[in-house]
Amino acid sequence: QKEVEQDPGPLSVPEGAIVSLNCTYSNSAFQYFMWYRQYSRKGPELLMYTYSSGNKEDGRFTAQVDKSSKYISLFIRDSQPSDSATYLCAMRGDSGNTPLVFGKGTRLSVIA
Amino acid sequence: DSGVTQTPKHLITATGQRVTLRCSPRSGDLSVYWYQQSLDQGLQFLIQYYNGEERAKGNILERFSAQQFPDLHSELNLSSLELGDSALYFCASSVGRRNTEAFFGQGTRLTVV
Repeated sequence: QKEVEQDPGPLSVPEGAIVSLNCTYSNSAFQYFMWYRQYSRKGPELLMYTYSSGNKEDGRFTAQVDKSSKYISLFIRDSQPSDSATYLCAMRGDSGNTPLVFGKGTRLSVIA
Repeated sequence: DSGVTQTPKHLITATGQRVTLRCSPRSGDLSVYWYQQSLDQGLQFLIQYYNGEERAKGNILERFSAQQFPDLHSELNLSSLELGDSALYFCASSVGRRNTEAFFGQGTRLTVV
């Protein structure tokens, strides 16, 4: 079992839809949880950053962490064609500077 | 634009060759990270330098090496290249040692033929 699992998609939704992106993980030591957006031919860009459990909201984006289920989610409200990209989850433990472990990414297309 | 500059953008080379990828971090950033992104493995951490010293090591092959220079730019050297080394190589940088606060460059696409 890989440490971080993420459905690769592709996921295609109409403009204005609510998008739900998810990752599951196996390492209970993970405490930092991040979502990155990666446009084609670009580097990953940090969207949301959560420590431990709970929700965090930033504009149209909401990140949720459920440590009991080892499950994290990113919701995008009122999705726009400009949200079309690959979304990567990443996580790491709390000790020192342990490396980030990334999911393989979900490709999202928002159709106008 | 993240402020992290990577050169070259594209590189095509033959098996067995050696290449050097270059990264200039954002102004003021002391940490540099190298990542490899391939279709089958996803984005994988290779190595981190902080202010010239190696800070953390990931799944970096022995054929690969890196260094950070006094002006804080970094180079990733890949030698005895194999077809499987074809991938996107990203550099990221952060002010401090925390990899959760790093900004990524646009990557170097390496193709080994």
